[in-house]
Amino acid sequence: NAGVTQTPKFQVLKTGQSMTLQCAQDMNHNSMYWYRQDPGMGLRLIYYSASEGTTDKGEVPNGYNVSRLNKREFSLRLESAAPSQTSVYFCASSGSGFPQHFGDGTRLSIL
Amino acid sequence: EDKVVQSPLSLVVHEGDTVTLNCSYEVTNFRSLLWYKQEKKAPTFLFMLTSSGIEKKSGRLSSILDKKELFSILNITATQTGDSAVYLCAIFLNSNTGKLIFGQGTTLQVKP
Repeated sequence: NAGVTQTPKFQVLKTGQSMTLQCAQDMNHNSMYWYRQDPGMGLRLIYYSASEGTTDKGEVPNGYNVSRLNKREFSLRLESAAPSQTSVYFCASSGSGFPQHFGDGTRLSIL
Repeated sequence: EDKVVQSPLSLVVHEGDTVTLNCSYEVTNFRSLLWYKQEKKAPTFLFMLTSSGIEKKSGRLSSILDKKELFSILNITATQTGDSAVYLCAIFLNSNTGKLIFGQGTTLQVKP
């Protein structure tokens, strides 16, 4: 019973490097989300996908791109990492319109 | 600007105590208010509140929404050490965007 699976769990990057965070869900949900969580700021929506093939910007999309490859997978890409993108990233999915199931997060540090 | 504010930011209690966590908001139109519990990793969904004055209950946890006074409370009775977590309140604006506005969270520590 995996739910939402994120990889990797931890990553350290240098400024300017690129990387892709992976997310997969096995609950046949239409909606998937990417959030970032910074101390004292709650969670902020980066991108949202209502269904396969569609994506929409959230509150803080700058510096990120996403791909909804199929119903299961929703990836987040940092093209040129910046120290301001140091954060914990959560992927979530939903069959009911709001994020209901979250992955365990990816802790990303950018030096 | 839409805003969600939680109080207190942190709280330390002893097992058996009752706690009340507060969530106030400045949002003009929204669908629901949500509560999540976050232990070390992923937030887990607790409650969804849509109508004012109707209490939602799950075991020792309960929550209510007051749309007139623009706040919600989360009550935990007979606290246990396993209740130690960050409790997040969020306003669900619109299912078309999936957008939630989160508060900063309340960190609850329950001591034995």
